[in-house]
Amino acid sequence: GENVEQHPSTLSVQEGDSAVIKCTYSDSASNYFPWYKQELGKRPQLIIDIRSNVGEKKDQRIAVTLNKTAKHFSLHITETQPEDSAVYFCAASNAGANSKLTFGKGITLSVRP
Amino acid sequence: NAGVMQNPRHLVRRRGQEARLRCSPMKGHSHVYWYRQLPEEGLKFMVYLQKENIIDESGMPKERFSAEFPKEGPSILRIQQVVRGDSAAYFCASSSRVSNTEAFFGQGTRLTVV
Repeated sequence: GENVEQHPSTLSVQEGDSAVIKCTYSDSASNYFPWYKQELGKRPQLIIDIRSNVGEKKDQRIAVTLNKTAKHFSLHITETQPEDSAVYFCAASNAGANSKLTFGKGITLSVRP
Repeated sequence: NAGVMQNPRHLVRRRGQEARLRCSPMKGHSHVYWYRQLPEEGLKFMVYLQKENIIDESGMPKERFSAEFPKEGPSILRIQQVVRGDSAAYFCASSSRVSNTEAFFGQGTRLTVV
């Protein structure tokens, strides 16, 4: 089955700096890679996703890149703000199969004001 | 358009009791996924259901856990004879079809077994 690994487990940045979170996956059949943000005690919220037919996707301050050959994908947050502080999860699935998501363990991002 | 609705939000059960968790998918969504999140860990897939069918239950423990998604009404995750290790947040997600893989999560049910 799929295995998604996420590194590091914690990340602290100064407000205004950029943050990069990396994930690797194992199953070459995976073709859909979402990123979720989870604040304490709340639901995971989809913030951006990418499909395997593109290498990069951007939405305002957030971007995701995908390297299918190396089986890794990354979340980039620019101009970080204190409200970006949360746990971020990457995930992978095989759309067209049953689309169940395999999640990484999450990274706690802290943005220092 | 209401989002994915889960209830109850918090559930306390004594060891040996049964827990029933409910999930109503977003309007128009017929695919439901259940995930479990242990403290300070990621979400683990449990089961994937469509109306009246279990499609994939590879993440479900073999005993005490069951799930259903009837033709009418919410999806139910049932845990019989709960143990302390069942304490976790249980999240439900729904999507409109397999190829549309955007999954929207409910607020979760936080189960505490005492």
